[in-house]
Amino acid sequence: DQQVKQNSPSLSVQEGRISILNCDYTNSMFDYFLWYKKYPAEGPTFLISISSIKDKNEDGRFTVFLNKSAKHLSLHIVPSQPGDSAVYFCAASGTGFQKLVFGTGTRLLVSP
Amino acid sequence: DTAVSQTPKYLVTQMGNDKSIKCEQNLGHDTMYWYKQDSKKFLKIMFSYNNKELIINETVPNRFSPKSPDKAHLNLHINSLELGDSAVYFCASSLLLASTGELFFGEGSRLTVL
Repeated sequence: DQQVKQNSPSLSVQEGRISILNCDYTNSMFDYFLWYKKYPAEGPTFLISISSIKDKNEDGRFTVFLNKSAKHLSLHIVPSQPGDSAVYFCAASGTGFQKLVFGTGTRLLVSP
Repeated sequence: DTAVSQTPKYLVTQMGNDKSIKCEQNLGHDTMYWYKQDSKKFLKIMFSYNNKELIINETVPNRFSPKSPDKAHLNLHINSLELGDSAVYFCASSLLLASTGELFFGEGSRLTVL
């Protein structure tokens, strides 16, 4: 049972444009959502998170939007840079953060 | 100075063998995890330890036995390896009560069972 879904396995964007990565979840008990970025042969690294009491969180070029009624979140990267090329994982947890549930990832390619 | 380090990074072995993966963190965190990323790229939690106590034990075959000798170390021992155990195993650590839920991952250990 896939509780966190990233339906786009890949996304290609030109440098300077906006990248939008999407994530859907099914468990209404999730109240915290995170995005992780992963380069080849490295572990995932934390990028940005959002609590369910918010609908937007911004950190520099990265903004995460949460639509609880649709059980949908998205990560916007503006402007996209070639160094952003990586696999992006969406993750969700209930209270306590002890058990993050991850999506299968979206591979972003930003071309110069 | 690596925050979460795993050894070995690559492991190739035969079915039926027993192998171990070691993990160490120098972040002063109180909670450590093992995640498995299978061929379909699902990243799933296997175990979690808080201050050496097991707090999460997902539905994992009992051939997998984690051991936490102290807060900074969490090792994974796998008995009687099977083909389906081939995966990348990630160790991670965090502060249990951290406000963001951020996990710090190691680089992963790629296990190939032949």
